[in-house]
Amino acid sequence: GAGVSQSPSNKVTEKGKDVELRCDPISGHTALYWYRQSLGQGLEFLIYFQGNSAPDKSGLPSDRFSAERTGGSVSTLTIQRTQQEDSAVYLCASSLAAADTQYFGPGTRLTVL
Amino acid sequence: DQQVKQNSPSLSVQEGRISILNCDYTNSMFDYFLWYKKYPAEGPTFLISISSIKDKNEDGRFTVFLNKSAKHLSLHIVPSQPGDSAVYFCAASAFRNNDMRFGAGTRLTVKP
Repeated sequence: GAGVSQSPSNKVTEKGKDVELRCDPISGHTALYWYRQSLGQGLEFLIYFQGNSAPDKSGLPSDRFSAERTGGSVSTLTIQRTQQEDSAVYLCASSLAAADTQYFGPGTRLTVL
Repeated sequence: DQQVKQNSPSLSVQEGRISILNCDYTNSMFDYFLWYKKYPAEGPTFLISISSIKDKNEDGRFTVFLNKSAKHLSLHIVPSQPGDSAVYFCAASAFRNNDMRFGAGTRLTVKP
């Protein structure tokens, strides 16, 4: 079956612009995660959605970052007024339920000039 | 605060030999550990896991060892194959919750 998909695969933007990154989880997966991987760093947890519960936003690095999950499926990660330090690969993962194995998408490589 | 550490950024091994990737953690509440493998331009894929009630878990050529007293785990790949060349991430969580912490990764190169 289809895996987790993310779009765009690459995004180049200018400092100060807003960007939206999209994640389509595996159908039926109730849990959705966003991570960020900066150059030479491990995966940094950003935000977690589980069903209809309030998201766990504890990993968001600043109030410029926000995420939504519509209808318990597709998620959008929005970064406002992008900064150069936001440049990273943004990875989305989904799991059947909380604490189950996470399946990752291919990531979106964001470059802020 | 790096709670999961992979101190070797890279490892090179000859085909057919054993690859040993190491991971250390600092949070004694971690009770579930995973290894993910990542190829370039792809997302990480789950490889193998172990819970703290065990000290070893084996799946084919892959074995994960957990030493709770040392807060150390390792992934053994034997025999190593060129297709194993990838970046390997160690991850850990407490009570199998959602706040999974990842190490920085180790790039494994298996030479034919």
